Amino acid sequence: EAGVAQSPRYKIIEKRQSVAFWCNPISGHATLYWYQQILGQGPKLLIQFQNNGVVDDSQLPKDRFSAERLKGVDSTLKIQPAKLEDSAVYLCASSPRGSGANVLTFGAGSRLTVL
Amino acid sequence: GQSLEQPSEVTAVEGAIVQINCTYQTSGFYGLSWYQQHDGGAPTFLSYNGLDGLEETGRFSSFLSRSDSYGYLLLQELQMKDSASYFCAVDPARIYNQGGKLIFGQGTELSVKP
Repeated sequence: EAGVAQSPRYKIIEKRQSVAFWCNPISGHATLYWYQQILGQGPKLLIQFQNNGVVDDSQLPKDRFSAERLKGVDSTLKIQPAKLEDSAVYLCASSPRGSGANVLTFGAGSRLTVL
Repeated sequence: GQSLEQPSEVTAVEGAIVQINCTYQTSGFYGLSWYQQHDGGAPTFLSYNGLDGLEETGRFSSFLSRSDSYGYLLLQELQMKDSASYFCAVDPARIYNQGGKLIFGQGTELSVKP
């Protein structure tokens, strides 16, 4: 089966600019996650979707980050305006609903550098 | 809240056995997972423990003691390709059908030397 697709793989922007990342999960996976991974740290959950509804966005900096999954399939994460501390890899992951073994399949990530 | 602690780095030689420990504190707990991440790559699922005890998958085993809030990943017959970061992760969800929300540790960087 095809994996989790993400684009772009790399993005360099100036602070205060905006950026958007796209994710297409594994077909049929109801749950989609966006994680932020800063160099040398573990992934940190930003937002979790179940189909097109938000399950958890408690860690999403809503003053600058937004995410949507309008049709319950692919998703977009936007940062506007970007700050230096947003430099990180943004990982998208998906899982089948109710996967009690917590098997998340991650995409390769989008590496953001904010100058 | 949730927190997980793992050693930041471990070094071992090819053919050896290494154990990576993980202790956790969570407001709820559904299971402990392990993920492997090579430099520049995506985290990939290795193992899951929902109940106490040992789970074995080839050269990798994972152990959980819920009473001690402790688990470990055991890697046997180490190979150079095992050099990577290893993350433990907990699912604090109380309701099974909500689907896993994983909270990750900071990761342990394993270096396998010849």
